[in-house]
Amino acid sequence: EIVMTQSPATLSVSPGERATLSCRASQSVSSNLAWYQQKPGQAPRLLIYGASTRATGIPARFSGSGSGTEFTLTISSLQSEDSAVYSCQQYNSQQYNNWPPTFGPGTKVDIK
Amino acid sequence: EVQLVESGGGLVKPGGSLRLSCAASGFTFSTYTMNWVRQAPGKGLEWVSSISTESLFIYYADSVKGRFTISRDNAKNSLYLQMNSLRAEDTAVYHCVRKDPGTAPFSVWGQGTTVTVSS
Repeated sequence: EIVMTQSPATLSVSPGERATLSCRASQSVSSNLAWYQQKPGQAPRLLIYGASTRATGIPARFSGSGSGTEFTLTISSLQSEDSAVYSCQQYNSQQYNNWPPTFGPGTKVDIK
Repeated sequence: EVQLVESGGGLVKPGGSLRLSCAASGFTFSTYTMNWVRQAPGKGLEWVSSISTESLFIYYADSVKGRFTISRDNAKNSLYLQMNSLRAEDTAVYHCVRKDPGTAPFSVWGQGTTVTVSS
């Protein structure tokens, strides 16, 4: 099973500032990496897939980068509505019918 | 509108059973692999089970293998999760999730239904 780790666990950022979240895989997942946003009481929402492609309707201030084992989600200018937990997920294992897809533990982004 | 709506959660004693349902609408349900993903209180997301379009390929997390059974009825646009021998550690919000075709992420999520296992 591929283990995903995320850092930091919590990030406190002022409105308008940049937030940088990290995700690491225990082995290469190529670019088969997604980021999800989850607000309290809501379902997760797909933000980024293929490590760097924004999902439909996602604002341009969200960007993803990386490949292999190291990935980054950047929120360029934090808005109040971006307060949420952000989780990464690898889905590379699907290529070989070698489930499971695995998630990181999440980074909580707070607005200062 | 693409929508997934779960039901069937509740409070159950350890060792008990529950059957979760998910009603899909707004897309061609029969052409998508479907999944259950859960989130325990204060914890991260955990994939539970997956079922391919015609139910030919079914996978389970080790933590639920032998106790949970995933199934689908394409004629009714519905996904199910039969949960037996429930344990306290199965307490979580269970989300019904659609996966895009191929090597792809989980693109559509339901709001979830809460399962609490407690005596």
